[in-house]
Formats: sequence, structure tokens, C-alpha cells
Amino acid sequence: DSGVTQTPKHLITATGQRVTLRCSPRSGDLSVYWYQQSLDQGLQFLIQYYNGEERAKGNILERFSAQQFPDLHSELNLSSLELGDSALYFCASSVTLAGYNEQFFGPGTRLTVL
Amino acid sequence: EDKVVQSPLSLVVHEGDTVTLNCSYEVTNFRSLLWYKQEKKAPTFLFMLTSSGIEKKSGRLSSILDKKELFSILNITATQTGDSAVYLCAVGSNYQLIWGAGTKLIIKP
Repeated sequence: DSGVTQTPKHLITATGQRVTLRCSPRSGDLSVYWYQQSLDQGLQFLIQYYNGEERAKGNILERFSAQQFPDLHSELNLSSLELGDSALYFCASSVTLAGYNEQFFGPGTRLTVL
Repeated sequence: EDKVVQSPLSLVVHEGDTVTLNCSYEVTNFRSLLWYKQEKKAPTFLFMLTSSGIEKKSGRLSSILDKKELFSILNITATQTGDSAVYLCAVGSNYQLIWGAGTKLIIKP
């Protein structure tokens, strides 16, 4: 158990809908990262927040947005969902701002878009 | 464009065998190279390497980095069925990790 929690574990929804994924980082970690992992694909970095501020952006679609709250938990919002958005979404956290250090991963949220 | 390439993509061996997994990279502003193990769900951290030629070891697993030739290897000796997993390599550059596609390792009893 990494200490990073994510909810929900599974989410099934229809195309065109909007969902929110939630992540709580390890105690003391200020950085939160969001990743997408499609079937048989590698991890795709989406976005990083550090202490409430956006710090780095990867291949995140405009339909997706995220934020980090004062209590450091983070939410990833996915809207106008398409079939291709079906994937595992991971949240990871680390102590430092620098994203090149060890990151601790949550158990993931499996999103299925029908 | 930054890239991380792992090979082989898939590997099937028998219990007790030794395996070597490869990770090569072309990344600007290299900061670190990390290995993770992914079984059913979340990747779990194995090693972080920042200096060339210094082997990191944990039980039957070891890893080394060559910053001149831009690659790293992960060795697993005396493999066990519990080593079956996808092994992910990630290279740290500035604010993010750039991930390889992974090597799927299957250990047959």
C-alpha cells in the first residue's frame, strides 16, 4: 500500500458524459501527478500539481482538467467522454516539486466509456 | 522528441532462469532513470539511478545505468513466478517522468 488513495475504483459511463476522479496523496506529499494508461499502452503523463498550483502539463486533452485543493487532494475532470477515453487513470504523489524523483502510485480508477 | 524504449516487449522464461531487461533513452536534460514493477494494478517503485556504473541491488534484482551509451538494464536472477509482471522504465527530465512501454515478463513454473 503506497498511501495514495483514489476513488472510485471503477467507473462505467456513457459517451458524452462528464466524470470526476479523486486522489488523496501520501501524507506530506505536495506533488500530485495524473497518468492515463490505455489497454496495453504505457503510462501517459497528463498533468502535475504542486501545493495547489499547476506545474507541468503532458498530453492532456482540452476536455480534461484537474485541480489540487488546499488539503492537497486532487481531482481530474473528464468531460464529453469518448470511447477512446476508456483507460486506467493513475494518480501518483511525491514530496518534491521535481517530477524526476520517485513517485508513489495509487491503485487507479478504471474508466469504461460505453 | 524525448523517448524511452524498452526491450524486449515480452519475455517468457522458466522459473530459475536469469533475465535481463533493457531500457534505452533519448531525453534532454536527463535527471534520473527509474524502474517500476506493475502487476495487476499500480506500479511499484524498484530503483532510481542517477549515476553511471553504480549498481543498485535489492535481493535478486539489480540495475545499472550507462549515461554515456544512454541505457539501463534490470537483471533478475533465479526468477520466481511472483516476478511475473510488466516492468516499466521511466526517465526523469525536468518536471516529469517519460515512460517506456514496458516489458511483459512471464515466468513459467
